[in-house]
Amino acid sequence: TQLLEQSPQFLSIQEGENLTVYCNSSSVFSSLQWYRQEPGEGPVLLVTVVTGGEVKKLKRLTFQFGDARKDSSLHITAAQPGDTGLYLCAESLWGKLQFGAGTQVVVTP
Amino acid sequence: GAVVSQHPSRVICKSGTSVKIECRSLDFQATTMFWYRQFPKQSLMLMATSNEGSKATYEQGVEKDKFLINHASLTLSTLTVTSAHPEDSSFYICSASHRFSRETQYFGPGTRLLVL
Repeated sequence: TQLLEQSPQFLSIQEGENLTVYCNSSSVFSSLQWYRQEPGEGPVLLVTVVTGGEVKKLKRLTFQFGDARKDSSLHITAAQPGDTGLYLCAESLWGKLQFGAGTQVVVTP
Repeated sequence: GAVVSQHPSRVICKSGTSVKIECRSLDFQATTMFWYRQFPKQSLMLMATSNEGSKATYEQGVEKDKFLINHASLTLSTLTVTSAHPEDSSFYICSASHRFSRETQYFGPGTRLLVL
């Protein structure tokens, strides 16, 4: 079983600032998904990355997948309070998801 | 599309009682459903995988006799926590995938269980 490490564990920033969270593994990811989870709710899929070096954008969110497919990052530009949540990366393997520990992001007005 | 619901959203029960949580796929047929548990400030941990009409497959360390899973139809799976104890208090989340997109799971809103 592959271990997904996320960093940092917690991030508190002011509205308008940028932030980056990371997801790493010692092994190659088959594919990687990023989710955001708000308190008391289930996680919501943001993006799936599959190809090494891939970059995907979702409005102010930019997702990168490392060339070697062992790491990924999520960058948020001009963060807003609505971006507050737990950001989780997860590897999908044979239809099963293994989640990282998550990065708790708090954006204050 | 691809909406998953859970019922109840939160439940409080006494120690020793059993609690049933329902997970429904509202607009698609879920060939596979998954049950996760999430403790405060922690990530989601997969408990079990169930395929419609088959016995559930439990992850290591999850007691199958304590967490009974039934997936009798393509739109409904239930998780029954039997003889619940305070340490079973947690956030239980289900997800569902369908045969045309096995790598994508659609998550329910979760059920908060508090055992007194």
